[in-house]
Amino acid sequence: EDQVTQSPEALRLQEGESSSLNCSYTVSGLRGLFWYRQDPGKGPEFLFTLYSAGEEKEKERLKATLTKKESFLHITAPKPEDSATYLCAVQAANDYKLSFGAGTTVTVRA
Amino acid sequence: GAGVSQSPSNKVTEKGKDVELRCDPISGHTALYWYRQSLGQGLEFLIYFQGNSAPDKSGLPSDRFSAERTGGSVSTLTIQRTQQEDSAVYLCASSLVASGNHEQFFGPGTRLTVL
Repeated sequence: EDQVTQSPEALRLQEGESSSLNCSYTVSGLRGLFWYRQDPGKGPEFLFTLYSAGEEKEKERLKATLTKKESFLHITAPKPEDSATYLCAVQAANDYKLSFGAGTTVTVRA
Repeated sequence: GAGVSQSPSNKVTEKGKDVELRCDPISGHTALYWYRQSLGQGLEFLIYFQGNSAPDKSGLPSDRFSAERTGGSVSTLTIQRTQQEDSAVYLCASSLVASGNHEQFFGPGTRLTVL
């Protein structure tokens, strides 16, 4: 069974204080690893897909990286508007569903 | 075009009543997914459609849950004889196709409260 573990559960940052979120996974053949952002009362918003170890993707202050066992979401010089819950999910080869972690709730204080 | 839409946004019902939740996927997306997000838990996969067919219904938690999709577009998730443990946010997502590398885009969800 696919498993996704995210850490930490919660992260409080000062504006401009860079940090990283971790997503550890076990899956029988990885098709893709996905990062989503979820604001309170809203559906998850797609951020990145990573397909193979060594791959990196960036979007504004966010950078996602992937190894064979884990993925990191780096937040560089965060702003209050980066406050959200960040969800990691994996999709196994020949599968269609996403298996999600519990998420990391990030709070950025001005 | 427009994103995934879901209705209603909120639904309050009494235990034992039936409810229907609707999802309109992104135009042109042939794959549609239903997930459930309960308080304190991660997103849980329920069912997916490729076109009007649902190849795998194993994520549905009980036989009180059913779903259908018509015209390769709109989908309805029906919960019969609702129980308090059914209270959750029901999320719908769509992707271009189910196979291959295609991102799933989510709607805003329907918050279901069973009293």
